[in-house]
Amino acid sequence: AQSVTQPDIHITVSEGASLELRCNYSYGATPYLFWYVQSPGQGLQLLLKYFSGDTLVQGIKGFEAEFKRSQSSFNLRKPSVHWSDAAEYFCAVGGYNTDKLIFGTGTRLQVFP
Amino acid sequence: EPEVTQTPSHQVTQMGQEVILRCVPISNHLYFYWYRQILGQKVEFLVSFYNNEISEKSEIFDDQFSVERPDGSNFTLKIRSTKLEDSAMYFCASSEQGGTSNQPQHFGDGTRLSIL
Repeated sequence: AQSVTQPDIHITVSEGASLELRCNYSYGATPYLFWYVQSPGQGLQLLLKYFSGDTLVQGIKGFEAEFKRSQSSFNLRKPSVHWSDAAEYFCAVGGYNTDKLIFGTGTRLQVFP
Repeated sequence: EPEVTQTPSHQVTQMGQEVILRCVPISNHLYFYWYRQILGQKVEFLVSFYNNEISEKSEIFDDQFSVERPDGSNFTLKIRSTKLEDSAMYFCASSEQGGTSNQPQHFGDGTRLSIL
C-alpha cells in the first residue's frame, strides 16, 4: 500500500538548534517527494521537492532534505531553527502518471526562545 | 507571488444542505485539485480536474460530490447533501502541469466546513 509515515507527531526545539523531521514512504513506483509547511490558519506552502538527480535538495527558508532510497526516507533538516519556523510540516509522495499526493499525518514543530 | 484563493474561509451548514466551496486557481495553471483534512487526520486527495473533465478521483469522491469550472477563473466543489462526517478543512490546489512530477501543486489557505 502507498503511504507516508511521519513518526514524530510533535517536536520541540530551542531557537538556534538544528532540526531533523523524519519521513518514511511506501510507494510502488519511482516516488516524487515533497515537504509542505502549514502555519496556523494558512494553507500548505511547498518547502522543497525531489523528482530525480541529486538526492540532497535545497528548499526555501534554509531547509534541505535528503532522499535515501535504501531507507525509503526523505528527512527534512535545518541547521539552525528560527522562531518563525514553528508550524506543522507535512511530507507527501506522488508518482508518475498520477495526480494524487499522499500525505503523512504531519509533525508539529514548536520553537522555544 | 500568485496565490490560490479560497472562499469562504469558514462555512457553517446544516446537515442535508448543499454547499459550494469556491477556489480561484493561479491564472496560468491548467490542473486543479481538491483535498480535504478531517480534524486530526491526514490531508486526503479528493479529485483532480483538467480540460473540464475529472482526471482522477479517490474513493472518497462519491456521487454527493461534484466539481465544476463555471467560468475562466473559478473552480468549485459542490457537496450535494452534507453529512456530519463532511466536516473538514477543504484545500484547493492548482498546477501548471498534471501529475505530481515536474510542476508542484500550489495550495490555497483552505475552507473550514462545519456541518451542524
